[in-house]
Amino acid sequence: GAGVSQSPSNKVTEKGKDVELRCDPISGHTALYWYRQRLGQGLEFLIYFQGNSAPDKSGLPSDRFSAERTGESVSTLTIQRTQQEDSAVYLCASSPVGTGEQFFGPGTRLTVL
Amino acid sequence: QKEVEQNSGPLSVPEGAIASLNCTYSDRVSQSFFWYRQYSGKSPELIMSIYSNGDKEDGRFTAQLNKASQYVSLLIRDSQPSDSATYLCAVNSYGQNFVFGPGTRLSVLP
Repeated sequence: GAGVSQSPSNKVTEKGKDVELRCDPISGHTALYWYRQRLGQGLEFLIYFQGNSAPDKSGLPSDRFSAERTGESVSTLTIQRTQQEDSAVYLCASSPVGTGEQFFGPGTRLTVL
Repeated sequence: QKEVEQNSGPLSVPEGAIASLNCTYSDRVSQSFFWYRQYSGKSPELIMSIYSNGDKEDGRFTAQLNKASQYVSLLIRDSQPSDSATYLCAVNSYGQNFVFGPGTRLSVLP
């Protein structure tokens, strides 16, 4: 079946612009996660959804970051007034209920000039 | 602050040897443990999950969990050059987010 998809695959933007990143999870997966991975670094947790509610937003680095999810489907991560330190790969993962096993999308590489 | 620690490596092993990757975690109530493999420039892919103390085998991979010692490991038997990647340990408590370790870079030398 289809895996997790993310769009765009690459995004280059200018400092101060807003960007929107999209994630389509595997059908039927109730949990959805967003991570940030800077070059050569580990995964940094941002937010996770159980259905369309977000029980844990503790990882969002600032109020410029927000995310929403429609039901148990697509999620968008929005970064407002982008800064150069936002440059990273943004990874989305989804997980079926009960297992915690996450399946990752290919990521969106964000470059802020 | 929940932490997951791994030796960053690189860990170098000859082809055909056993590679042993280790992970320790700080949260005693952690319930689920996962190993992911990440090739350079790619996203992580799940290798193994383990939930109970003891060993779990899947092909050339064996995950070992010791909750009393807060320790989880991954053994790769008959290592192949294609196993060269960064291996990420992840830990989860029910209803809470996942914490990933920094990863161990494995290099299998032909």
